[in-house]
This record gives sequence, structure tokens and C-alpha cells, in this order.
Amino acid sequence: QKEVEQDPGPLSVPEGAIVSLNCTYSNSAFQYFMWYRQYSRKGPELLMYTYSSGNKEDGRFTAQVDKSSKYISLFIRDSQPSDSATYLCAMKDTNAGKSTFGDGTTLTVKP
Amino acid sequence: GAVVSQHPSRVICKSGTSVKIECRSLDFQATTMFWYRQFPKQSLMLMATSNEGSKATYEQGVEKDKFLINHASLTLSTLTVTSAHPEDSSFYICSARQPNRDTQYFGPGTRLTVL
Repeated sequence: QKEVEQDPGPLSVPEGAIVSLNCTYSNSAFQYFMWYRQYSRKGPELLMYTYSSGNKEDGRFTAQVDKSSKYISLFIRDSQPSDSATYLCAMKDTNAGKSTFGDGTTLTVKP
Repeated sequence: GAVVSQHPSRVICKSGTSVKIECRSLDFQATTMFWYRQFPKQSLMLMATSNEGSKATYEQGVEKDKFLINHASLTLSTLTVTSAHPEDSSFYICSARQPNRDTQYFGPGTRLTVL
């Protein structure tokens, strides 16, 4: 079983929709949670970073962490065609030198 | 945000040749850099973790003699694919982490095609 499971997608939504991207994890030592966005043929870019349970908002993006359920989500409000990309969740515990990534969810927002 | 560059962005080489890819952190010192490989429509596969001034730590199944990693300074790490073969064709991405931070900043990637 993978340490991090991500909803596989692909996901296709109309412009303006609310998008929910989700990951679950099994390692209770994970303390830091990240979401990356990767456009086709580009390197990933950091979108959101959080280290506690609860919500963190940045513009149209909200990252949600539920440590009791070992579940994290990324919500995108008023989705735009420019949001079309692959989204990767990543997690790290305090002792590990590396992050563990989900397999990514490909999102397409149709105009 | 922090900027990480990679060079070259794209390289095509003949089978049997060696290819060097550079990863630079442009506006911060990176004590740790990571090298990933990504196949089409697949996630990142960590190849190795390199710490400045020490030997890289390779993930299981990654040949250290084939993928040579050098992290000679706090802003530069290199990945050399030795005796490249067509199956080494892939998208190679590096990332860098600042000291005492948990987030990584990724380079734009290098597309390697081995003929």
C-alpha cells in the first residue's frame, strides 16, 4: 500500500466550478502538507503549504488538512481554464529528508 | 518565491554518450537538492537526494554508477547520465530546499531523448 494515495482523475469541470482534489495518507508521522501544480512539460510549482489541521486560504485556493482522518484536500473556487494542470499532493514528516508525493490528478477546466 | 533553474531544458543524444544536467538555485542556498524522473502522465519518481559536500543518497533501484550526482556547492547540483540508452529517455526534474525549510522548489525540468 502506498503511503500517499491521490484521487487519480482525470477530472474535467466547466469554468467557474468548484474543484476538490483529495489525498489520503497512512503515515501518521507526516506533519507537513503541500500541494503542487504542474503544467504540461514543466516542473511542479508550489501552490500551498500547511503544517496543521484546518484550512488555509490563498486567493481562490483553500488547502484543508484533517490529521485525525489522514485526509487532505485542495479546493479551487471559480475555476479557470488556466487552472488546467496536474496537481500533486506531497507530505513530509519532521525527520525525513524527502517528501512523499501522490501520483497526481489531472484537471481540465473547460471554457 | 525561490527560483531554481535547470540546464539544458532539452537534450537529444546518441546511445552510449553521457549527458550532464545542471540544477541551480538562483536566489537561495540549497543544502539539499533532489533529482526526480517523470514518465509521461506519471508522477515524480525520486531518484536521489544530494546534500552539499557529501555523497548522494540513492533510492532503491536507481543505479548510482549510471546516474552520477555531484552537489559541489550550495547553489549547484549536477546529474550525469552515463552511457545513456533509449530507455533513459525521460523528463528529469530537480528541486532544491532551503536550510531548515520543508518546502521544495522545482526546476523547469530537462527533457532527455536518447536515440
